[in-house]
Amino acid sequence: KNEVEQSPQNLTAQEGEFITINCSYSVGISALHWLQQHPGGGIVSLFMLSSGKKKHGRLIATINIQEKHSSLHITASHPRDSAVYICAVSTIQGAQKLVFGQGTRLTINP
Amino acid sequence: KAGVTQTPRYLIKTRGQQVTLSCSPISGHRSVSWYQQTPGQGLQFLFEYFSETQRNKGNFPGRFSGRQFSNSRSEMNVSTLELGDSALYLCASSTDLAGGPGEQFFGPGTRLTVL
Repeated sequence: KNEVEQSPQNLTAQEGEFITINCSYSVGISALHWLQQHPGGGIVSLFMLSSGKKKHGRLIATINIQEKHSSLHITASHPRDSAVYICAVSTIQGAQKLVFGQGTRLTINP
Repeated sequence: KAGVTQTPRYLIKTRGQQVTLSCSPISGHRSVSWYQQTPGQGLQFLFEYFSETQRNKGNFPGRFSGRQFSNSRSEMNVSTLELGDSALYLCASSTDLAGGPGEQFFGPGTRLTVL
């Protein structure tokens, strides 16, 4: 079993819909990261959080440390939100490193 | 502020050769991490350097090595290339967090193809 699991793996929605991507992890962490990767490879850090909730524009990230679960929400989705969203955790056991989920491919149709 | 830069952007090598990739972090960032991304394995952590010292290491063979210079620029070397080393290699810089990676600012990556 992977240490970081994301769901769904693929998500297609219509413009304007509310989007939720989930991330569960099984290791001790110091922080959780949400990343966005567009075609061509560039990766952008969206959030880094260790508790509670963060909001940036139409994006909201939440984390529940007790349940080892995080969600990324996109409100009023737009075709430019189409990308792969990757959850990663900063581990605190052994080598302190980022461990990545497999990514969620999001497609927003106009 | 200039972002993270990586050179070269594309590279083609043959099996058995070695390769060196370069990464220049955001000014003021002293931590540089390297990652490998493949379709099969996804993103995997290679190593992290901080103040010219390897601070953390992933589960890769010794053919993968790196170093960091006093200006925080970092290089990654892969010796005796194998077909399976074909991947997108990403570096990311961050400000220091005690003992581990902070928020990662990624470069555009170097796409390595091994023939």
